Amino acid sequence: AQSVTQPDIHITVSEGASLELRCNYSYGATPYLFWYVQSPGQGLQLLLKYFSGDTLVQGIKGFEAEFKRSQSSFNLRKPSVHWSDAAEYFCAVTYTGGGNKLTFGTGTQLKVEL
Amino acid sequence: DAGVIQSPRHEVTEMGQEVTLRCKPISGHNSLFWYRQTMMRGLELLIYFNNNVPIDDSGMPEDRFSAKMPNASFSTLKIQPSEPRDSAVYFCASIDRGGEQYFGPGTRLTVT
Repeated sequence: AQSVTQPDIHITVSEGASLELRCNYSYGATPYLFWYVQSPGQGLQLLLKYFSGDTLVQGIKGFEAEFKRSQSSFNLRKPSVHWSDAAEYFCAVTYTGGGNKLTFGTGTQLKVEL
Repeated sequence: DAGVIQSPRHEVTEMGQEVTLRCKPISGHNSLFWYRQTMMRGLELLIYFNNNVPIDDSGMPEDRFSAKMPNASFSTLKIQPSEPRDSAVYFCASIDRGGEQYFGPGTRLTVT
């Protein structure tokens, strides 16, 4: 069965610092990978997705992620964090023939210090 | 577009009562998903529909839970009877042809 691991439950960074959130997936087929962000009391918003092609994908709000098949990873990055980026971030995976059924990681809570 | 619409946004009920959560997907999206989010279990897929037909309900926790999608623009998730452990935030999501899931704002359910 497919699974997603987000090893960091909480991360704290200073405003203006760079950010990397880790995500590892396990599944043999070609994955479709997503990062979502959830602000308090809100639903999930898609930041970016990877289906195929260029392994470095750009998303909204200045985020990017890199798909590394050899490491089964899809880490999310941002060069300079803003206080408004404080939220919970979820990595998710599905695959061809999966019926668009997403498996989510447990999430990483990002705190931004001013 | 108004996005995925869920109602109510908040529901407080007593144990044993019936609860009905509602969802209106984005027009033109042909798949709909119901999720439950709790601190302990994270985000869990309960059930999803393609073209109004339930495809996978393996995530539905018990027979107390049921979901319907009578047409392409409306779905319900019903809990009868409700229990305190059902307290959670319930999300509905619909998916476009590009594979992107759009989430509603959620319904926060509290069962006392």
